[in-house]
Amino acid sequence: QVQLQESGPGLVKPSGTLSLTCAVSGGSISSSNWWTWVRQPPGKGLEWIGEISHGGTTNYNPSLRSRVTISVEKSKNQFSLKVNSVTAADTAVYYCTRPGAPGSFDIWGQGTVVTVSS
Amino acid sequence: EIVLTQSPGTLSLSPGEGATLSCRASQSLTSGYLAWYQQKLGQAPRLLIYGASSRATGIPDRFSGSGSGTDFTLTISRLEPEDFAVYYCQQYGSSPPYSFGQGTKLEIK
Repeated sequence: QVQLQESGPGLVKPSGTLSLTCAVSGGSISSSNWWTWVRQPPGKGLEWIGEISHGGTTNYNPSLRSRVTISVEKSKNQFSLKVNSVTAADTAVYYCTRPGAPGSFDIWGQGTVVTVSS
Repeated sequence: EIVLTQSPGTLSLSPGEGATLSCRASQSLTSGYLAWYQQKLGQAPRLLIYGASSRATGIPDRFSGSGSGTDFTLTISRLEPEDFAVYYCQQYGSSPPYSFGQGTKLEIK
């Protein structure tokens, strides 16, 4: 059974870069066509950030496209998220997830809290 | 961009009662890819329904999904204490390829 685990700094300074990694265990990152990042600001709903294929093709939410980069490291069986020029509005729980069942996300990491503050 | 609007915002019911949650899309979901998730406090979302009406693995049959086009419904036939949570709908297919509704909180009356 594939499992996902996010990791990265919990605190980022305004105007800095948020960097997170999602480790895939229990299976190969090549076993799924796409891998995805979703975030959830405190007390709010879910926002799709973007996705990457195991071959490196990316798609991003237009609202974040100019600041977001998603990459994959097959050798480490993980994929990563970078958000630059962060502000307090980027404070959220960040989840990595996998589109499994058609058009939906069937496996989720536990989420990691990132706070943007000086 | 397709906007999903969920109603009601909060639903107050008692265990044993039935629940009906609504999700309305601003444009027709021609792909039929509408999913429902349950999220409890401090936990990641859990997939309940995909393709509008297919139950995900391990989901009890008291959860059912229906609808097409712009109107979709999640029905919980007999509420168990563990069903009280926030529920989100999600669509796939329009740019951005994925978007979520704002959520319905199901609380104990």
